[in-house]
Amino acid sequence: GESVGLHLPTLSVQEGDNSIINCAYSNSASDYFIWYKQESGKGPQFIIDIRSNMDKRQGQRVTVLLNKTVKHLSLQIAATQPGDSAVYFCAERVTGRRALTFGSGTRLQVQP
Amino acid sequence: DGGITQSPKYLFRKEGQNVTLSCEQNLNHDAMYWYRQDPGQGLRLIYYSQIVNDFQKGDIAEGYSVSREKKESFPLTVTSAQKNPTAFYLCASIEGQGNQPQHFGDGTRLSIL
Repeated sequence: GESVGLHLPTLSVQEGDNSIINCAYSNSASDYFIWYKQESGKGPQFIIDIRSNMDKRQGQRVTVLLNKTVKHLSLQIAATQPGDSAVYFCAERVTGRRALTFGSGTRLQVQP
Repeated sequence: DGGITQSPKYLFRKEGQNVTLSCEQNLNHDAMYWYRQDPGQGLRLIYYSQIVNDFQKGDIAEGYSVSREKKESFPLTVTSAQKNPTAFYLCASIEGQGNQPQHFGDGTRLSIL
């Protein structure tokens, strides 16, 4: 399969544990944030998004937290499963800019 | 099913050759994007188009060209001027211009022979 990140930071967790993936964003003018999951050889898949007027948003087994004071975004995955193993990217959209700016990604490895 | 189709999955280029990567979407999305992904790095924007017959350079447009003659198609040409073309290329689209997630294709891996 495709190697989407040979030298990415890696988070290794046991199946059933909760995972927290962190992302520091750079632009205080960013108003929209997204988490993507990318499996080997595939394009990024949308997980969850959050707007800058929110601090927290929950989905199915996932929660995104936004701390604008320190420009920090996190993705929490509850009861992590082997199928969650992938590279996770955060992306931000700066107000007025049409495209997203992506972080470098974190590899999540789930041990059975 | 609606989605974004990129072809081919793998592509090889000889020195001095131009190659074109295909991206087709049947989502009726207005905006389309091309990104480049290198190992250990996030996605970097090459070109984007918000409407037919219009496109804008992204952060790393040098050595690339695009066209947007039809709403559903946004091909990317990697020219011989791109000296380091080996990468994973991703196409994305979005319905409107507000805060919405981009939808991605499954990419094309370009390698140099």
